[in-house]
Amino acid sequence: EIVLTQSPGTLSLSPGERATLSCRASQSVSSSYLAWYHQKPGQAPRLLIYGASSRATGISDRFSGSGSGTDFTLTISRLEPEDFAVYYCQQYGSSPALTFGGGTKVEIK
Amino acid sequence: QLQLQESGSGLVKPSQTLSLTCVISGGSISTGGYLWTWIRQPPGKGLEWIGSIHHSESTYYNPSLKSRVIISVDRSKSQFSLKLTSVTAADTAVYYCATLYTSSWFAYFDNWGQGTLVTVSS
Repeated sequence: EIVLTQSPGTLSLSPGERATLSCRASQSVSSSYLAWYHQKPGQAPRLLIYGASSRATGISDRFSGSGSGTDFTLTISRLEPEDFAVYYCQQYGSSPALTFGGGTKVEIK
Repeated sequence: QLQLQESGSGLVKPSQTLSLTCVISGGSISTGGYLWTWIRQPPGKGLEWIGSIHHSESTYYNPSLKSRVIISVDRSKSQFSLKLTSVTAADTAVYYCATLYTSSWFAYFDNWGQGTLVTVSS
């Protein structure tokens, strides 16, 4: 099983600041099969990025994804109030099998 | 726009079987490229994939839950279901149904139900 480790666990930032979230895999992951979601309290997760760097429909260009192999990054260029949430990375592998990272909480400083 | 809605018992006794159903609207369960999926989230914790089913009824389960999980599909009712046997308090969670879009290039969850809280308690 591929383990995804997200860091930091919590990111305290102010609106307008840049957020950089990390997702590290225990073994190489196909970039095609790496996605990012955010989740607000009481809501289901929402897809932000798929294929490591492609924005989902309706997602602001403030969100960007990058990375390959075992290291992936989600960047939020300028935090808006609605961006404060928990962020998860997710990988899909053969079998199929898939796993989520433990999450990064982006909170208002 | 595909919509998913979970339903089922919100309270299950330890050692019994948790049963949930996900009703699909705005689309067909036979839609190509989709795996119909159950995911759970214990209170205050992260997401865990439980398993997925293709409309052909091929199933794929999380190895850690495989011995206790059955996912099935009912095409006539446009729904798919989850059964989790021998539950314990550790199975208390919000359970989501979702669609996993898969292709040769990408795989991601693009539709989610609102989630339903299942509590395991006597």
